[in-house]
This record gives sequence, C-alpha cells and structure tokens, in this order.
Amino acid sequence: DSGVTQTPKHLITATGQRVTLRCSPRSGDLSVYWYQQSLDQGLQFLIQYYNGEERAKGNILERFSAQQFPDLHSELNLSSLELGDSALYFCASSVRASGDNEQFFGPGTRLTVL
Amino acid sequence: GESVGLHLPTLSVQEGDNSIINCAYSNSASDYFIWYKQESGKGPQFIIDIRSNMDKRQGQRVTVLLNKTVKHLSLQIAATQPGDSAVYFCAENRGSGGSNYKLTFGKGTLLTVNP
Repeated sequence: DSGVTQTPKHLITATGQRVTLRCSPRSGDLSVYWYQQSLDQGLQFLIQYYNGEERAKGNILERFSAQQFPDLHSELNLSSLELGDSALYFCASSVRASGDNEQFFGPGTRLTVL
Repeated sequence: GESVGLHLPTLSVQEGDNSIINCAYSNSASDYFIWYKQESGKGPQFIIDIRSNMDKRQGQRVTVLLNKTVKHLSLQIAATQPGDSAVYFCAENRGSGGSNYKLTFGKGTLLTVNP
C-alpha cells in the first residue's frame, strides 16, 4: 500500500460524458501527478500540482483539467469523453515538486468509455 | 526527439538467475533516471533511481547502470524470484531543478520468472 488513494476504482461511461477522478496523496506529500496508461501509449504524464498550484504539464488534452484543493487532494476532470480515453489513470504523490524524487503511485482508476 | 525505449519487450528467466532489463534513452539533457515495477492490477512502484553524475547505484538485489556515452540504462536483478515477475519501466526526467519537470516512461518490459 503506497498511501495514495484513488476513487473510483472502476468507471464505465458513455462517449460525450464527463467524469471526475479523485486522488488523495500520501500524508505529508505536497506534489500530485496524474498519469494515463493505455496499451498503445504506455504511461503518459498528464499534469502536476504542487501545494495547490499547477506545476508542470505533460500530454494533457484540452478536454481534461485538474485541480488540487487546500487539503491537497486532487481531482482530474475528463470531459467530452471519447472511446480513446479508455485507459488506466494513475495519481502519484511526492514530497517535493522537482522531478528527482520518489513518486508513490495509487492503485489507479480504470475508465471505460463505451 | 524525446523517447525512452526498451530493447526487449519480454524477458523470461529461471528462478535464482540474474535478470538484466535494458533501456535506451535519446535525450542527452536527461539528468535523472528511475526504474519502476508494475505488478498486474497495481500502480507502478519505485525500485531505484540514479542521477546522471553517477554510473552505478545499488539497492537490495538491484543494481542500475547508466552509460551516458551510449545513452543506455539497465536494471540488474540478482537471484530473481517469482515475486519479481512484473512489468518494468524505465523513466527519464529532464529538469530536476523543479521548474521543468517532465517524466517520460518507456513502454515497459515484461519479466516472467519461472519456478
């Protein structure tokens, strides 16, 4: 158990819909990262927040957005869903904002878009 | 371009043997490298990391080697056990100073340990 929690574990929805994925970082970690894992693209970095502020952006689509709240939990919002958005979405957390520190991954949310 | 790739997508070894998983990277500006292990149904788990000012780092049963000349990274697992069966990812990060974080993962290598 990494200490990072994600909900829901599974999510099935239809194209065009909007969903929200939730992540609670490890106690004491200020940095939260979101990743998308699909069979054809592998593990892709989406976005990073540190202490409530956006810190870095990766390959995140404009249809996707995220935020980190004062209690440090984070939400990833996916809208106008397409079939290709079906994937595992992981949240990770770390103590520092820089990329050179260990990240702890949550168990992931499996999103299926029908 | 930006890419972190793996030479072998699958690796099958006998229990007790040593395993070597390879990874090539193309960005000479990368200064920090990480190996992650992902078991089926779970999120990636940190194994070991290495900075670009080092060429070798050892952990418990694992060793990471970095060859900057040929942009090659390897993970060696000693006395491989069935519990080591998983997908192993290498990742590179550019800009460890904090303001330029970007972690790029390889596609992964599936390690299967036969009893």
